[in-house]
Amino acid sequence: DAGVTQSPTHLIKTRGQQVTLRCSPKSGHDTVSWYQQALGQGPQFIFQYYEEEERQRGNFPDRFSGHQFPNYSSELNVNALLLGDSALYLCASSFPQGRYNEQFFGPGTRLTVL
Amino acid sequence: DQQVKQNSPSLSVQEGRISILNCDYTNSMFDYFLWYKKYPAEGPTFLISISSIKDKNEDGRFTVFLNKSAKHLSLHIVPSQPGDSAVYFCAAKATSGTYKYIFGTGTRLKVLA
Repeated sequence: DAGVTQSPTHLIKTRGQQVTLRCSPKSGHDTVSWYQQALGQGPQFIFQYYEEEERQRGNFPDRFSGHQFPNYSSELNVNALLLGDSALYLCASSFPQGRYNEQFFGPGTRLTVL
Repeated sequence: DQQVKQNSPSLSVQEGRISILNCDYTNSMFDYFLWYKKYPAEGPTFLISISSIKDKNEDGRFTVFLNKSAKHLSLHIVPSQPGDSAVYFCAAKATSGTYKYIFGTGTRLKVLA
């Protein structure tokens, strides 16, 4: 049973560029959330996608956008990269049934902005 | 505004002893709490959860305690093993009106052999 997968593993970009990160959820899951984890911090919620729509958004600027495809996989796009966008980007999947549902995380994409 | 706080950045424990990791929260709407373990170069791995209708939940060597009046939860690992050495995050969520988990900053646990 494949868990959550993310690509690429590492990425180096320069300021002002744009980046796309990809995530495939765990089998049977239809909800995908994206988190940013800066060094020494906990994961910070960017947004969640369900039924191909952004269901909730955290305190991130519009430079951060996403998409969910019919097969439940998802992309995170970041435009006009800033040095402060350097972080580990985590994707988590879950299914929305019931009130209590754990999120399962992928290994993350390490983004470095120079 | 840090709604979930893990005030101990690091903790060292001898193998076989108990590890106690603490987490405090400020938002009284939170009613579901989780602990995750994270190894370097891996994503967080779900460990154990507790809802606010309980004050204790056990799973093998891991027990989570919730004190709602103090807005405090703790994770107990007994006995601690060297493989438990990792960063531990607590996370909290309100089960109605939001899908967002709020994470603490993590506690690095080192279990000494």
